Amino acid sequence: SQQGEEDPQALSIQEGENATMNCSYKTSINNLQWYRQNSGRGLVHLILIRSNEREKHSGRLRVTLDTSKKSSSLLITASRAADTASYFCATDAAGGGNKLTFGTGTQLKVEL
Amino acid sequence: DAGVTQSPTHLIKTRGQQVTLRCSPKSGHDTVSWYQQALGQGPQFIFQYYEEEERQRGNFPDRFSGHQFPNYSSELNVNALLLGDSALYLCASSFSAAGELFFGEGSRLTVL
Repeated sequence: SQQGEEDPQALSIQEGENATMNCSYKTSINNLQWYRQNSGRGLVHLILIRSNEREKHSGRLRVTLDTSKKSSSLLITASRAADTASYFCATDAAGGGNKLTFGTGTQLKVEL
Repeated sequence: DAGVTQSPTHLIKTRGQQVTLRCSPKSGHDTVSWYQQALGQGPQFIFQYYEEEERQRGNFPDRFSGHQFPNYSSELNVNALLLGDSALYLCASSFSAAGELFFGEGSRLTVL
């Protein structure tokens, strides 16, 4: 079963705008990761944030984590058409050893 | 440096048949995990292999079994296929159970 719920399920924006996706989860975690998937192909690891971190940046990506609310957000700034993909959050439970539990995903479409 | 490779990329089986999917991990990786991704859903953890042993298992029936070879490559076997087994099967490798996961492009199984 999925642990995480992602919001929104689908998001359509114009190129240059920012895209924000949210993820909620249920259990204590060791870390939370975000992945990208193009058209049902393989997953690409974007960023990992540990349970003792609150915010992390990588290029145009900004991730926040609120363990008290069991939620995370992914912000993509200055989006490009090439960012069109599905984005998934995945949690590694405390002591989980890379047994990831994925959310339901957000489908992002960036239009020219 | 080759990444994670999976074979076959696509296959079609009928109910009741058996299937074997193969995965070669990224060079230097010793841990292989398998995930099932149904259409429109996030991936679900099947099991993880390290040192040729199943180390962790998700909520999947015994019809799903696997193997890891001395060269760290792995196979996923599914017996008595059901229509509901139709999915994208993803292999992910890492160095130890704590390392960053790298995913292959997946094997898309259709059960008729």
